[in-house]
Amino acid sequence: EIVMTQSPATLSVSPGERTTLSCRASQSVDSNLAWYQHKPGQAPRFLMSGASTRATGIPARFSGSGSGTEFTLTITSLQSEDFAVYYCQQYNKWPPTFGQGTKVDIK
Amino acid sequence: QVQLQESGPGLVEPSETLSLTCTVSGGSISTYYWSWIRQPPGKGLEWIGYIHYSGSTNHNPSLTSRLIISLDTSRNQFSLKLSSVTAADTAVYFCARGSPIPDTWGQGTLVTVSA
Repeated sequence: EIVMTQSPATLSVSPGERTTLSCRASQSVDSNLAWYQHKPGQAPRFLMSGASTRATGIPARFSGSGSGTEFTLTITSLQSEDFAVYYCQQYNKWPPTFGQGTKVDIK
Repeated sequence: QVQLQESGPGLVEPSETLSLTCTVSGGSISTYYWSWIRQPPGKGLEWIGYIHYSGSTNHNPSLTSRLIISLDTSRNQFSLKLSSVTAADTAVYFCARGSPIPDTWGQGTLVTVSA
C-alpha cells in the first residue's frame, strides 16, 4: 500500500501567521490527495480533494498544492479555530491511506 | 445536514467479534458510499472498508478475512463486524459518508480489546 508521510509532526504557530504543512507519498498518487482537519473529540472535517479543490464552506485561507508525490497545505493568517491536527490522504490506489498527521498548535 | 453517530460496546474481549453501528440522520442512506475508518491510540488513520447503498463492499486487504460491513436501509444504519479481535484492534472507530473521500464523519467511538 502507499505510505503517506507528513512533516513536521508538530508546528507551533502564532495566530495570524502563515503556515505550510507537507505530505509525501511513497509513489505517485497524481492529484488524488485529500486533506482533513481533526480536533479532539470532534468529527474530522473534510477540507479539500484533488490536492487543491476546497470543499464546500472551507475558507479561502486554506489552500493546497502539489501532484505526484509532494503536496502542501497552506493556511494563511491562522485563526484560533485552525489549531488542530491535519491529515493528508491518498485515494489513487486501494486501500486509501492517511499520513500520521501534523499537529498545529499555538506558539 | 447529514450527521453520523457510531454506537456499540466500548469493551470487547480478545478473540470475540467487535460490532458497531452507524446511524445516519438528516439524509437517506440509500445514496452514497458509507465507510469505516479507525485510529489506534497514538497512531494514524486506517481505512477499514466501505459499503455502497447497492450493497457492494470493498475491504482493506489487511482486514478482509475478519470483516463484514452491512447496510440496513429501513433503519438508515450501516454496521461493522470484525471477528477474532486482538489488542491491535483497539482504536477509535469512525463511520463516514463517502469513499474514497469521506466528506462527513461521525465523532468516533473508542473500542478497547481487553480481557
